[in-house]
Formats: sequence, C-alpha cells, structure tokens
Amino acid sequence: SAVISQKPSRDICQRGTSLTIQCQVDSQVTMMFWYRQQPGQSLTLIATANQGSEATYESGFVIDKFPISRPNLTFSTLTVSNMSPEDSSIYLCSVTRQGPNTEAFFGQGTRLTVV
Amino acid sequence: DAKTTQPNSMESNEEEPVHLPCNHSTISGTDYIHWYRQLPSQGPEYVIHGLTSNVNNRMASLAIAEDRKSSTLILHRATLRDAAVYYCILRDPYNNAGNMLTFGGGTRLMVKP
Repeated sequence: SAVISQKPSRDICQRGTSLTIQCQVDSQVTMMFWYRQQPGQSLTLIATANQGSEATYESGFVIDKFPISRPNLTFSTLTVSNMSPEDSSIYLCSVTRQGPNTEAFFGQGTRLTVV
Repeated sequence: DAKTTQPNSMESNEEEPVHLPCNHSTISGTDYIHWYRQLPSQGPEYVIHGLTSNVNNRMASLAIAEDRKSSTLILHRATLRDAAVYYCILRDPYNNAGNMLTFGGGTRLMVKP
C-alpha cells in the first residue's frame, strides 16, 4: 500500500496568484499523477510526474499553467499559475506501481477556491 | 482508450445487496477491470479488480461476463458508508498509458436507511 500526504488540504487564493500543492508518499513508487476534479465532475488527468525530467501533460494542459516537479520517487509538486476562478477545483495526487495486480492510491485532494 | 458505460445513479436500501453494472464492449484482451469509489470529500479508493474470473474481497465482489463486455460490482450488504460515486475503469498494465486511470462519470450510489 501507499499513504499519500497532500498539502494544503484547501486554500482560497486571489486571482492572478499561484499556488503550489505538495504530494508526499510514504514509499517509493514508480508512477505519480496529478488529477483535477472540477465541481460536480469526474476526475481528469492533468499530467504524469516524471522523476528527474519534464512532466508529460495531457491534452488541454500546459506546463506554463501547471508546472510540475518530481525531484525523487516519493515527492512531487503541482503549481497552479496565474489563477482565475475557472481554476477552482479539487486537485489530487495519485500513485501506482507498474504491474497487472497493482492498485492506484490517491491523496485526499486540495480544494482550491479562486476569488 | 477503451470506454466504460455506467448508470448515472442508483439507489439502495441499507443492508440490502447492491449490483452496480458496467458495460465495456470495446474491452481488449489485456484490459483489467478496475473499480474505485469516491466517498464525499475524499480521494478515490480502490475497491476491486479482475481480468476474467469473478473476484471477491472484503469490500465487494466482481462478477465478469463470460465475453468480458460487461461486469457487475456487488456490495453484499449496503451500509450508509457505502454511499459514494463508483467508477468502473479499464486498465491495461502492459501499456504505459494503462498506468494512468481514465475516469468516466461513474455511478452515484445513494443508500437509504
């Protein structure tokens, strides 16, 4: 199993500012991902956080808006830059190991409100 | 990506069994069927997964059709704590893209006392 600590759990931010969300895992994991969950919606994958290299972004998400770092196998950050009210969402970190009988683990999420 | 189709919502009475269906008619031979659930104000949590055979664990049972084009998550006795959104997801562990989960709309399960 893997226990994920995500910080902050929630924040209210002014438009135009940036927020960095931290994801700490209690064990080394191969794969780390960042998801966004807009109000009342399902989860959408933002990017795969790659250790020591640039993240791999999904369609509709760009590095300038959502820079991601992953300096080691247990830690990653997601920054939401130049925020607007449309960025108000829950942001979730997820980890998994490769293999057919592995499960994904999720953090509790960061509830972001942009005013 | 192979897609899944689930009812938007279902209702159940407490302590009764619940059968949550999922259709995945375009499933490939290496896709595993995963179920996750998201309780209110929490991140998703793993429930169960399987490939071809029916699976049981402490949380639920997974019944997989013989042609694998559909599956059913079975909660044997629903409790109020089981009220959540349940997601049926196909995952190919042999494909790098299969390490990430693609979430559909899921089924919102409401449990009545």
